[in-house]
Amino acid sequence: EDQVTQSPEALRLQEGESSSLNCSYTVSGLRGLFWYRQDPGKGPEFLFTLYSAGEEKEKERLKATLTKKESFLHITAPKPEDSATYLCAVQAAGGTSYGKLTFGQGTILTVHP
Amino acid sequence: DAGVTQSPTHLIKTRGQHVTLRCSPISGHKSVSWYQQVLGQGPQFIFQYYEKEERGRGNFPDRFSARQFPNYSSELNVNALLLGDSALYLCASSSMTGSNQPQHFGDGTRLSIL
Repeated sequence: EDQVTQSPEALRLQEGESSSLNCSYTVSGLRGLFWYRQDPGKGPEFLFTLYSAGEEKEKERLKATLTKKESFLHITAPKPEDSATYLCAVQAAGGTSYGKLTFGQGTILTVHP
Repeated sequence: DAGVTQSPTHLIKTRGQHVTLRCSPISGHKSVSWYQQVLGQGPQFIFQYYEKEERGRGNFPDRFSARQFPNYSSELNVNALLLGDSALYLCASSSMTGSNQPQHFGDGTRLSIL
């Protein structure tokens, strides 16, 4: 069964203090790994898709990387508006539920000014 | 362009009742998926529909059912509601099923069971 574990559960940073979020996964053939941001009372907002080990994607202060067992979301010089819950999800190749995303429990990021 | 829209935004029901939640996908998207998100957890997959056919089902009881219409909108139905069904129900759309195209989510329907 596909599994995704995110750490830490919560992370508090000072504005400008860079850090990384971790997503460890077990999947029977990876079709894609997805990062989402979720603000309170809202649905997840798509950030990145990673397809194969060694791939990297960047967007503003965020950079996502992928290995065969885990993904990292690096946040450089964060600002208070980066505060949100960050979700990682995997999509398996094959199987009977083609579009199923398996999510981790999320990391709650708080950035203090 | 409009994103994924869901209605209603909030709903309060009592145990034993049934509920219908609605979703309109992004224009041009033919695949719709439903997820349940309990407070403090990540979303859990319920169903996926593509071209009006069920293409995936998660580990949810038969009280949960869904369908997709010719215009690709979708409904999620839950019968005999239980207290544990209280959650945020999310709809996501993508252009295809079985591909690794990202799923785009609506803001959900907050269902509270009393």
